[in-house]
Amino acid sequence: DIQMTQSPSSLSASVGDRVAITCRASQSISSYLNWYQQKPGKAPKLLIYATSSLQSGVPSRFSGSGSGTDFTLTISSLQPEDFASYYCQQSYSTSWTFGQGTQVEIK
Amino acid sequence: EVQLVESGGGLVQPGGSLRLSCAASEFTFSSYWMHWVRQAPGKGLVWVSRISSAGSSTTYADSVKGRFTVSRDNAKNTLYLQMNSLRAEDTAVYYCAREYYGFWSGYYMDVWGKGTTVTVSS
Repeated sequence: DIQMTQSPSSLSASVGDRVAITCRASQSISSYLNWYQQKPGKAPKLLIYATSSLQSGVPSRFSGSGSGTDFTLTISSLQPEDFASYYCQQSYSTSWTFGQGTQVEIK
Repeated sequence: EVQLVESGGGLVQPGGSLRLSCAASEFTFSSYWMHWVRQAPGKGLVWVSRISSAGSSTTYADSVKGRFTVSRDNAKNTLYLQMNSLRAEDTAVYYCAREYYGFWSGYYMDVWGKGTTVTVSS
């Protein structure tokens, strides 16, 4: 199975900060990389698909980049509603896998 | 509104069985591949299983292979997860999710249910 490793596991940031979360695949996954946001007690929500495409309704402060094995989710200016957990997920293989998650907390 | 609603969760003893259901509405269920994803208390998301639109192809995570069976009834717009030989480590919230595929957009889970809780304990 393809392993997905996110870093950091958690981070503390202030409103207005630029935040970057990285995701590394154990083998090349081309651009088959998606990002989800999850708030406590809620279902995950799709943010970005195919590495860099923004899901409808997602604010433009979210962006994604990368290819092959290394990917990044960037929040250009952190807003109060962005404090949540973020997961990368590969859909390259028939068995999909998630990263372990990154919790974004208020500093 | 496109919606997925899970049900069937509960408390079950180790070694027991449970069947989860996921009812779909407001979209053509039979056209979409579907997934189950779980989340243990305080832990991250774990992909569990995937089933093709017609139900003819299924895939499982190694941790549940041979114990869980995913199926669907397209006439009833319902996805199922039969869970046998349950273990304490299967305790989690179980989500069903719809898979979207586009030639240029790849594969991703675009619609999620709210989840149903499974607790395996004696």
